[in-house]
Amino acid sequence: DARVTQTPRHKVTEMGQEVTMRCQPILGHNTVFWYRQTMMQGLELLAYFRNRAPLDDSGMPKDRFSAEMPDATLATLKIQPSEPRDSAVYFCASGLKPGTTYSGNTIYFGEGSWLTVV
Amino acid sequence: EDQVTQSPEALRLQEGESSSLNCSYTVSGLRGLFWYRQDPGKGPEFLFTLYSAGEEKEKERLKATLTKKESFLHITAPKPEDSATYLCAVQGETSGSRLTFGEGTQLTVNP
Repeated sequence: DARVTQTPRHKVTEMGQEVTMRCQPILGHNTVFWYRQTMMQGLELLAYFRNRAPLDDSGMPKDRFSAEMPDATLATLKIQPSEPRDSAVYFCASGLKPGTTYSGNTIYFGEGSWLTVV
Repeated sequence: EDQVTQSPEALRLQEGESSSLNCSYTVSGLRGLFWYRQDPGKGPEFLFTLYSAGEEKEKERLKATLTKKESFLHITAPKPEDSATYLCAVQGETSGSRLTFGEGTQLTVNP
């Protein structure tokens, strides 16, 4: 059963520490997204990549967040330094470019990385 | 800018009591409207994609419908295991592949 895999599932860290979240997209998917979910804001897009190239990172605080795709099977989201307001669930999702026949435009989510910054 | 508004925020039903969830949207050229289900502690699980007004899709007790301004998720004779948060999202022609999500409807079905 193909799925998006995220690590770590849970992370508690102290303010100022670096946090790295990793994502393995579904094999064959060429578009990878990072979303953040909080009670106040709901699901908001941080960044997304197509064919490993960043297409849009306008939702991401540039001073402390960075997102990369070192290869087609790995996406990373890094926060440095972390702050308490970064506490949230971070979801990775993957899909195919609109217009392709397989699975249409649907994107599939991982189980999330639950981050608490104290 | 694409916008999605879901109502109600929360809904409590008795088992077997049918109802509907609403998703109102504004988008520049709808590429797709998506329904997801999210259980506590889990990621959103894909349910349906609707592409054009008049389209309907069904899955077990759920049926999604689409007009030019809104979508409904009809739940027929719900069971306690249907309790979850239901999320609606749109993908517009000018937004690339991104989905814009609503705040969700938290559904509770009591036995």
